[in-house]
Amino acid sequence: QKEVEQDPGPLSVPEGAIVSLNCTYSNSAFQYFMWYRQYSRKGPELLMYTYSSGNKEDGRFTAQVDKSSKYISLFIRDSQPSDSATYLCAMRGTNFGNEKLTFGTGTRLTIIP
Amino acid sequence: DTAVSQTPKYLVTQMGNDKSIKCEQNLGHDTMYWYKQDSKKFLKIMFSYNNKELIINETVPNRFSPKSPDKAHLNLHINSLELGDSAVYFCASSDWGDYNEQFFGPGTRLTVL
Repeated sequence: QKEVEQDPGPLSVPEGAIVSLNCTYSNSAFQYFMWYRQYSRKGPELLMYTYSSGNKEDGRFTAQVDKSSKYISLFIRDSQPSDSATYLCAMRGTNFGNEKLTFGTGTRLTIIP
Repeated sequence: DTAVSQTPKYLVTQMGNDKSIKCEQNLGHDTMYWYKQDSKKFLKIMFSYNNKELIINETVPNRFSPKSPDKAHLNLHINSLELGDSAVYFCASSDWGDYNEQFFGPGTRLTVL
């Protein structure tokens, strides 16, 4: 079993819909949770960053972390064709210096105009 | 303007050859990374360097040798290339500290024939 599980999709939704992307993890030491967006043939870019449990909102994007369930989510409201990309969750513990960032396999999202 | 740059962008070579990928960042970061992304988009760390010192060395064949001549550069040399080395290799950089947003380069697509 992988440390971080993410449904690879693909996921296709109509423009304007609410999108829900999720990851589960097994390592209870994870404290920092991130969502990266990767457009085709580009490098990943950080979208959202959350420490420990709770919600964080940034424009149309909301990140949620439920450490008790080891479950994180990214919600995209009013989805746009420009949101079409692969979304990667990533996480790590608090021993920054010697800890790697562990990624999910990514969910490929397509927003249909 | 480019924050993290990699050369070359594409690399096609024969099995058994030796090749290098170069990475440079102009963000003033002191930590740099190499990641490998396979055909299923799974992103896995290979190495990380802080101030030219090797910090993370995942289970990577010793045919892969990173070199950091200074804080702004991290190169990757690969000996005796194998078919399974075909992937996209990403360089990234970040500050050293708890909040370590990693900035990724555009990737180098390596194809071994």
